[in-house]
Amino acid sequence: KNEVEQSPQNLTAQEGEFITINCSYSVGISALHWLQQHPGGGIVSLFMLSSGKKKHGRLIATINIQEKHSSLHITASHPRDSAVYICAVSLYFGTGTSLTVIP
Amino acid sequence: NAGVMQNPRHLVRRRGQEARLRCSPMKGHSHVYWYRQLPEEGLKFMVYLQKENIIDESGMPKERFSAEFPKEGPSILRIQQVVRGDSAAYFCASSPRPSGGANTGELFFGEGSRLTVL
Repeated sequence: KNEVEQSPQNLTAQEGEFITINCSYSVGISALHWLQQHPGGGIVSLFMLSSGKKKHGRLIATINIQEKHSSLHITASHPRDSAVYICAVSLYFGTGTSLTVIP
Repeated sequence: NAGVMQNPRHLVRRRGQEARLRCSPMKGHSHVYWYRQLPEEGLKFMVYLQKENIIDESGMPKERFSAEFPKEGPSILRIQQVVRGDSAAYFCASSPRPSGGANTGELFFGEGSRLTVL
């Protein structure tokens, strides 16, 4: 069993849809990262959170420390959101969720 | 304020040669992490360094791979006698504080170095 599990692995959505990506982890943490990797390969850190909820534009990240679970939400999705979203906890990474948003 | 700089962006080596990948962290960051992303796979932690010290190398292959972060200059990931299985994207990230422990620091990633072994 992986230390960090993400679901779904692949996700296709219509433009404008509300998207949720889930992350469950088994290791102890002080913070969880959500990363975005575009087809070109570069990685951007979207959020670092250790409790509660953070919002940046159309992106929202939540974490429940007791349940060892985090979610990344994208509101009003857009084709430019198409990327791989990766959950990282401590030194462990999820395998990523590949999101495709169709116009 | 430049971000994390990695070079080369692309490197081609023949089997048996050496590969050296460089990572200059963001200004003020003394914590550097190296990750490997094999084709069609997720990111895997390799090594965590703080200036002049290797803190955690639990993800590093035991042979042929080494890393350093000298007092002056970039961090270097060195792969000796490369094999085809070393072909991957190698990412470096830096942080102003340790990432993963108490008071964890945010990670900033470089663009990656893509190694191809022929």
